[in-house]
Amino acid sequence: NAGVMQNPRHLVRRRGQEARLRCSPMKGHSHVYWYRQLPEEGLKFMVYLQKENIIDESGMPKERFSAEFPKEGPSILRIQQVVRGDSAAYFCASSPYLKETQYFGPGTRLLVL
Amino acid sequence: DQQVKQNSPSLSVQEGRISILNCDYTNSMFDYFLWYKKYPAEGPTFLISISSIKDKNEDGRFTVFLNKSAKHLSLHIVPSQPGDSAVYFCAATLGSGNTGKLIFGQGTTLQVKP
Repeated sequence: NAGVMQNPRHLVRRRGQEARLRCSPMKGHSHVYWYRQLPEEGLKFMVYLQKENIIDESGMPKERFSAEFPKEGPSILRIQQVVRGDSAAYFCASSPYLKETQYFGPGTRLLVL
Repeated sequence: DQQVKQNSPSLSVQEGRISILNCDYTNSMFDYFLWYKKYPAEGPTFLISISSIKDKNEDGRFTVFLNKSAKHLSLHIVPSQPGDSAVYFCAATLGSGNTGKLIFGQGTTLQVKP
């Protein structure tokens, strides 16, 4: 059973460009969480999705950030018009049921120049 | 407002000895606690968890203790091995009605010396 997959592992963008981060949950997992880790900090919750639905986006910035988890395909975290402060590691986690243990992917390291 | 705190940024222990990592929390509504281990350039790996109805959970070399009155939990690793060297995060989640999002501490870097 493959683990949570994220791609790309590294992403470099210039200020003002768009960043798209992909997450494929573990097989059988329909709950996806996105977290962000800024340098020297812990992970911070951003958004929680189930298939085709955003359940909790309380940790996501109101502007420029969006997330989706379509019926088919991976979950996508999209950052429009990136700024240097968006440079961070973005982790996706999945679980089979609500409040079950979350299993994390390897992360996408975003660098904004 | 940091609801989950790991006040020790780093810890160094000798191989074979016990490692004790500590975590404090402020929200009494947390009902489930987890420890994750993280190597550089990798995602966090789940280690062990504990429900708020328990005060201890053990899995091999790892034991988690929960003191609800003190709002404190700790992870004991015994015996410590060089491969345990990593960043350890404690995390908590709220009770019923919550979406299961994890609230993390800042992490403690453990170094186990051979």
